[in-house]
Amino acid sequence: GAVVSQHPSRVICKSGTSVKIECRSLDFQATTMFWYRQFPKQSLMLMATSNEGSKATYEQGVEKDKFLINHASLTLSTLTVTSAHPEDSSFYICSARAASGPEELFFGEGSRLTVL
Amino acid sequence: QKEVEQNSGPLSVPEGAIASLNCTYSDRGSQSFFWYRQYSGKSPELIMSIYSNGDKEDGRFTAQLNKASQYVSLLIRDSQPSDSATYLCAVGSSASKIIFGSGTRLSIRP
Repeated sequence: GAVVSQHPSRVICKSGTSVKIECRSLDFQATTMFWYRQFPKQSLMLMATSNEGSKATYEQGVEKDKFLINHASLTLSTLTVTSAHPEDSSFYICSARAASGPEELFFGEGSRLTVL
Repeated sequence: QKEVEQNSGPLSVPEGAIASLNCTYSDRGSQSFFWYRQYSGKSPELIMSIYSNGDKEDGRFTAQLNKASQYVSLLIRDSQPSDSATYLCAVGSSASKIIFGSGTRLSIRP
């Protein structure tokens, strides 16, 4: 299957700082990328849909000014958690859908964020 | 009503038996259906996709889709301990989003 790389896999930061997570599609072009958050023993929660070259679409209840998403190219989307707080600690996972071909989502490895 | 519903489990199945995982969805306009496997602490990986009514087989896995009943299932034959994981049903909605169920935790006992 297609490969999606996510970096960093783990990050620990102090409260109030900002953290950037990168999501890259390595062997295909992704017009659409999705960002999910998952708390322990809970399901994936869609945060936002990122389309190349346009503004992200955020799900209800997700603060767009806190979770900044940029999708500057067909292979890269970034999520920046601004002014992180302990309650933002979670497993953040990106996924990508190819520009052509099947609709399947391919997931990055995930980024575990711990805010102290 | 949740858009995609799954029994959370845990579902316990003896090694070598068939594990049956079920999922229902609410959007009649859905056209694409997926099963993902997620190990603890890892991100989901795609197992099967199915787009038309009937069965689709891939190795030990068979996906079954019944759009009239809004029902999709996954059968795992000859279950192995390594199949123990959470299985996520995902449905491509008419709004071009992929909606995930909450997952079914499967445990294969030796």
